[in-house]
Amino acid sequence: SAVISQKPSRDICQRGTSLTIQCQVDSQVTMMFWYRQQPGQSLTLIATANQGSEATYESGFVIDKFPISRPNLTFSTLTVSNMSPEDSSIYLCSVEDLSTGVGYGYTFGSGTRLTVV
Amino acid sequence: GESVGLHLPTLSVQEGDNSIINCAYSNSASDYFIWYKQESGKGPQFIIDIRSNMDKRQGQRVTVLLNKTVKHLSLQIAATQPGDSAVYFCAESLAAGNNRKLIWGLGTSLAVNP
Repeated sequence: SAVISQKPSRDICQRGTSLTIQCQVDSQVTMMFWYRQQPGQSLTLIATANQGSEATYESGFVIDKFPISRPNLTFSTLTVSNMSPEDSSIYLCSVEDLSTGVGYGYTFGSGTRLTVV
Repeated sequence: GESVGLHLPTLSVQEGDNSIINCAYSNSASDYFIWYKQESGKGPQFIIDIRSNMDKRQGQRVTVLLNKTVKHLSLQIAATQPGDSAVYFCAESLAAGNNRKLIWGLGTSLAVNP
């Protein structure tokens, strides 16, 4: 299955600043996904990033707050802009990985634990 | 023991026992289902999946059962070990235009007592 390297693994940031999270995959993938996970809760999809086109955002998430880059088929970044304590969460990148299981499997990075103070 | 994954409940089992984690999925159009394991401080890890044209699939120590009539999915872990302690999420997948949509369950926390 695909191997994802996500950086940073954790960070503590001041409110009003921005943090860019990087996601590097060891193989070319068409679709990359960015999720947010509040402690003790399930995953919420932020956006889908396809190479060569603008990211598609889910309801409640906007490009100004969470700009995404997808410069090639192995790399993507998510920026959390103008942060507030409410942005404290775990951010995860994921890729569609058809080598897992019998269908449309997904592989995840190890996540970025963000704390905004 | 059994648990329904609606409000991140905790399922506590003794080491060596079998565990059953349940999940009620929402969309009858979902045609693919996945179970993930998430250990503390890590991303979700794929465990096993199943297509809607199957009702059972087995892996190493794990079995997934699908009942489409009642939209129910379960994960059975045989001879549960301390390393199985984690949060388990079910996810349902369905076609959405040219892409696919993934709907996540709320998760069940499994605690294995030595």
